[in-house]
Amino acid sequence: DVKVTQSSRYLVKRTGEKVFLECVQDMDHENMFWYRQDPGLGLRLIYFSYDVKMKEKGDIPEGYSVSREKKERFSLILESASTNQTSMYLCASSFSTWARGATMQFFGPGTRLTVL
Amino acid sequence: AQKITQTQPGMFVQEKEAVTLDCTYDTSDQSYGLFWYKQPSSGEMIFLIYQGSYDEQNATEGRYSLNFQKARKSANLVISASQLGDSAMYFCAMRVFAGGTSYGKLTFGQGTILTVHP
Repeated sequence: DVKVTQSSRYLVKRTGEKVFLECVQDMDHENMFWYRQDPGLGLRLIYFSYDVKMKEKGDIPEGYSVSREKKERFSLILESASTNQTSMYLCASSFSTWARGATMQFFGPGTRLTVL
Repeated sequence: AQKITQTQPGMFVQEKEAVTLDCTYDTSDQSYGLFWYKQPSSGEMIFLIYQGSYDEQNATEGRYSLNFQKARKSANLVISASQLGDSAMYFCAMRVFAGGTSYGKLTFGQGTILTVHP
């Protein structure tokens, strides 16, 4: 079974702190994604990575950065946390493919971050 | 740009009855795929069903079926014989295949909370 793990289920940080959210997948997937989930807005893509050290901005990258030094690990960094970054953060991974198929994303359990 | 719209913030259904969750999408690409995910209160996203834009048959997976109407750009999820364990948030999502390797980026709708009553 594909397993995507996230370092914390719940996290409480203070405004201005640097926050690291870690994600690890064990299926040798090329692609990894970070989303945030807010009520009424669904999931919004923050950043994604299609290879080691490669990254691309998603729809809402402001205030975030990412790091992918190893294929299995994708980190989301909040350089200076703010209260409007209080949210649920979901990591996902998938294979790259040329095929038009159901290469679904596999998700981790999520990290609920509260910034005070 | 792609857009997914789920207009039902919440839906209620009686146990053992069928329920339809609405999803409409907007894209100018001809080749795309549509996904439905379930998110129980535990938070993890569970893949349910997939429909490709060129698939001629509507997708089915057990009690889940996808009512795909391409001309109307809708991809509604039908859950038959609802169970208490179906109570969850449901998300519709889309991926476009704009040539070349797809990184598999998904665009999600706002979600619908389904509550199944005994």
